[in-house]
Amino acid sequence: GQSLEQPSEVTAVEGAIVQINCTYQTSGFYGLSWYQQHDGGAPTFLSYNALDGLEETGRFSSFLSRSDSYGYLLLQELQMKDSASYFCAVRSSSDSSYKLIFGSGTRLLVRP
Amino acid sequence: DADVTQTPRNRITKTGKRIMLECSQTKGHDRMYWYRQDPGLGLRLIYYSFDVKDINKGEISDGYSVSRQAQAKFSLSLESAIPNQTALYFCATSDLRRDSTDTQYFGPGTRLTVL
Repeated sequence: GQSLEQPSEVTAVEGAIVQINCTYQTSGFYGLSWYQQHDGGAPTFLSYNALDGLEETGRFSSFLSRSDSYGYLLLQELQMKDSASYFCAVRSSSDSSYKLIFGSGTRLLVRP
Repeated sequence: DADVTQTPRNRITKTGKRIMLECSQTKGHDRMYWYRQDPGLGLRLIYYSFDVKDINKGEISDGYSVSRQAQAKFSLSLESAIPNQTALYFCATSDLRRDSTDTQYFGPGTRLTVL
């Protein structure tokens, strides 16, 4: 089967750094994505890793280790507006079709 | 104007009623998806379509059907709504031909309540 695990909730202080982990189990792995969703809003794409290593986009970075089936999203210089849910998603090719499988999400609360 | 639109945005209906949720996109993407979101369960794939003639079941297709009327339109139907179909429904699009990450672009969502 396919599954993704991420913490359900994380709390951090404004200006700090937070790391949201994601472990996955899937067949035919092609890449790990991260999406952000604010309350009442639609998920929006943050980052994608197909190869091992760190990808940086401004204050956000994403890491992947294919051998460990593990990745994380790193948020630096946290701002209040970063309070949202963050989903990891695996692009896989089970049953000959390629689709995204989403984790259940990590709710990040940034405190003043 | 939004690239991916969904109608209606909110709907309250009764058990046994037939409901159609509509999705339109102006992004020119070939792939379209319907997801359901329940609290604590993330996004679960209901149906997906890679082009007008290619429609596939996702992980939770029972009780749902879809129609891809054109490249830009993908509708989701609940033939006989039941209360446990109360959820937030998202349509999404992607274009693997031009974007190897297959990034998905989501509509604003439809909040459906079945009484």
